[in-house]
Amino acid sequence: EAGVVQSPRYKIIEKKQPVAFWCNPISGHNTLYWYLQNLGQGPELLIRYENEEAVDDSQLPKDRFSAERLKGVDSTLKIQPAELGDSAVYLCASSLTSSGNTIYFGEGSWLTVV
Amino acid sequence: AQSVAQPEDQVNVAEGNPLTVKCTYSVSGNPYLFWYVQYPNRGLQFLLKYITGDNLVKGSYGFEAEFNKSQTSFHLKKPSALVSDSALYFCAVSPPHNTDKLIFGTGTRLQVFP
Repeated sequence: EAGVVQSPRYKIIEKKQPVAFWCNPISGHNTLYWYLQNLGQGPELLIRYENEEAVDDSQLPKDRFSAERLKGVDSTLKIQPAELGDSAVYLCASSLTSSGNTIYFGEGSWLTVV
Repeated sequence: AQSVAQPEDQVNVAEGNPLTVKCTYSVSGNPYLFWYVQYPNRGLQFLLKYITGDNLVKGSYGFEAEFNKSQTSFHLKKPSALVSDSALYFCAVSPPHNTDKLIFGTGTRLQVFP
C-alpha cells in the first residue's frame, strides 16, 4: 500500500518567487495535515483538513500561504511570495479520522529560499 | 500551556547496550502519546502510541515505551541498540480534548556507536 506521497522532494527558489507543494494522502484517509518543520525543531501544524473542509488553519500565515483540497483527496500548499525564512521542510500527513488515529507522514518537501 | 519536553538533544550509546530516550509532557487529563523516528532526509515514521491500557507499549523495530502518569513521562526504550537505530526521535502528544492535534517535542538525536 502506498504511503503519503509528496512532490517535489526538493525545491530551490529565489525570494519573492511562488512555490507549490502537492500531496496525495493514503487511500481512504479523510484527514489531511500540512506541517512545517524548521531545522532542529519538531513539526508544527499549519492546516488540517477533514475531507475538503479546512477545520484548523489557525497557524497558517494567510498573508502568503494558501492551501486547498478541492475534491477531498489530494492537496496543494502554496507560498507566494516566498521569503528567506520559509526555508524548511513541509510535511504532509494523513489519518483515517482525526480522533486519535495514527498520523502517517510523507517524505517531505524540502524548500530552500535564496 | 500544553507542551512536550525532550530534555536531551543527543543520546550516545554503544551497540548492544540498552537505550532510553526521555520524554515528559505537560497536558491536563489523559493525553494520547506517540513516538516517531526521522532518518536523514526522510519524513517521520510512526513507531508506537499509547492511548489507554497497559502502560508498556511495544512498537516497531523492537522499541517500546512506558507511560508513567504520575511522572507525566513516556520514555522510549530498546533493550539492545543497533547502529541502524541512529536517527532523530520525536515524542508527540495529543490533548484529550483535541485528539486531532499533535504537539511535538524538539527531538533527540540518537547516535549508536559500533
